[in-house]
Amino acid sequence: AQSVTQPDIHITVSEGASLELRCNYSYGATPYLFWYVQSPGQGLQLLLKYFSGDTLVQGIKGFEAEFKRSQSSFNLRKPSVHWSDAAEYFCAVGPYGGATNKLIFGTGTLLAVQP
Amino acid sequence: KAGVTQTPRYLIKTRGQQVTLSCSPISGHRSVSWYQQTPGQGLQFLFEYFSETQRNKGNFPGRFSGRQFSNSRSEMNVSTLELGDSALYLCASSLTRVSTEAFFGQGTRLTVV
Repeated sequence: AQSVTQPDIHITVSEGASLELRCNYSYGATPYLFWYVQSPGQGLQLLLKYFSGDTLVQGIKGFEAEFKRSQSSFNLRKPSVHWSDAAEYFCAVGPYGGATNKLIFGTGTLLAVQP
Repeated sequence: KAGVTQTPRYLIKTRGQQVTLSCSPISGHRSVSWYQQTPGQGLQFLFEYFSETQRNKGNFPGRFSGRQFSNSRSEMNVSTLELGDSALYLCASSLTRVSTEAFFGQGTRLTVV
């Protein structure tokens, strides 16, 4: 069955420090992969996505993610975190070639940024 | 271009009642998906509509239903509300039946008392 694992429930980093959020997926083929961010009480905003091609993808707000097929991972990174990055981050997988837009989400990682 | 609009933003209902939530997708988008978000279960897929037809359904009881209109607007209904139905309900809009991006609304916060 398809699944997404985000091992870190909560992460605290200092402002200006680098960030890496982990995501592992289980899927029968190469999936579509996404990272979304959610601020308290808000909907989800797409940060970046991977479908094929270059395994390092750039997103909005200075985020990037790298797809590693051998590790079934799609980790999110940012070189220097800003206080406004404090939010919850969700990794998601979508079916490739299937006639659906259904997404399977990980449980999320809550990011706190300390001054 | 307007985003995805969900109404109402907040709802308080009593156990046993029913509720209807509305989602207006981005103009030109024909696919609408619904998700339930709770602290315990996270984000779970409810159902997906395209061209007024339900294309996919998650593992939820029959009390949860939905529909899509010819203008792509969608509604979901929950009957005989239970306390456990308290959640943030999110609607996602996509251009076609298989899209590379889903745009989410701000959600409807349902509280069942």
